[in-house]
Amino acid sequence: DSGVTQTPKHLITATGQRVTLRCSPRSGDLSVYWYQQSLDQGLQFLIHYYNGEERAKGNILERFSAQQFPDLHSELNLSSLELGDSALYFCASSFAGTSGGRYTGELFFGEGSRLTVL
Amino acid sequence: QQQVKQSPQSLIVQKGGISIINCAYENTAFDYFPWYQQFPGKGPALLIAIRPDVSEKKEGRFTISFNKSAKQFSLHIMDSQPGDSATYFCAASMLDTGRRALTFGSGTRLQVQP
Repeated sequence: DSGVTQTPKHLITATGQRVTLRCSPRSGDLSVYWYQQSLDQGLQFLIHYYNGEERAKGNILERFSAQQFPDLHSELNLSSLELGDSALYFCASSFAGTSGGRYTGELFFGEGSRLTVL
Repeated sequence: QQQVKQSPQSLIVQKGGISIINCAYENTAFDYFPWYQQFPGKGPALLIAIRPDVSEKKEGRFTISFNKSAKQFSLHIMDSQPGDSATYFCAASMLDTGRRALTFGSGTRLQVQP
């Protein structure tokens, strides 16, 4: 158990709909990352939040948005869904700190939310 | 460039054999190279990591070999077991505009046959 909780685990919806995926990071972790993993594909970085602020955007579509709340949980909103949006969506958290000046920002991944768009 | 190129895409190894997965990078600003292991239906989990000031790191049956001059690193799994069957991702990390950025390779699906 990584300590990162994602809900829902599975979601089936129709094209054109909107869904919200939720992530609770590990206790003490300030960074939350969202990744998309399509069938037989690698991990595509979507967006990174640190302590409530957006820090970086990757290959995130304009139809997608995210936010990180004061309690550090994060939500990924997917709207106007298309068939091609069917994928596993992972949240990962990290302390992103240092120990003795050396990087210690291991990413801890949740078990993902499997989205199926019909 | 922040790409990390990983090969092979898939690998079949007999039980007891050695599995080798290779990665290459271009950006010399990368300073931390982790490997993640992902079982079906699970999220990736950190397996082993190395910094560029060492050429090799070993943890049990898993070894990272790092060649700084060639900008390549590889994962060796000794005495491969069916339980090692998973997808493996190499990654590289660097400081980018004040934040840590992690770039993943495309993944290698390893199948260890009994």
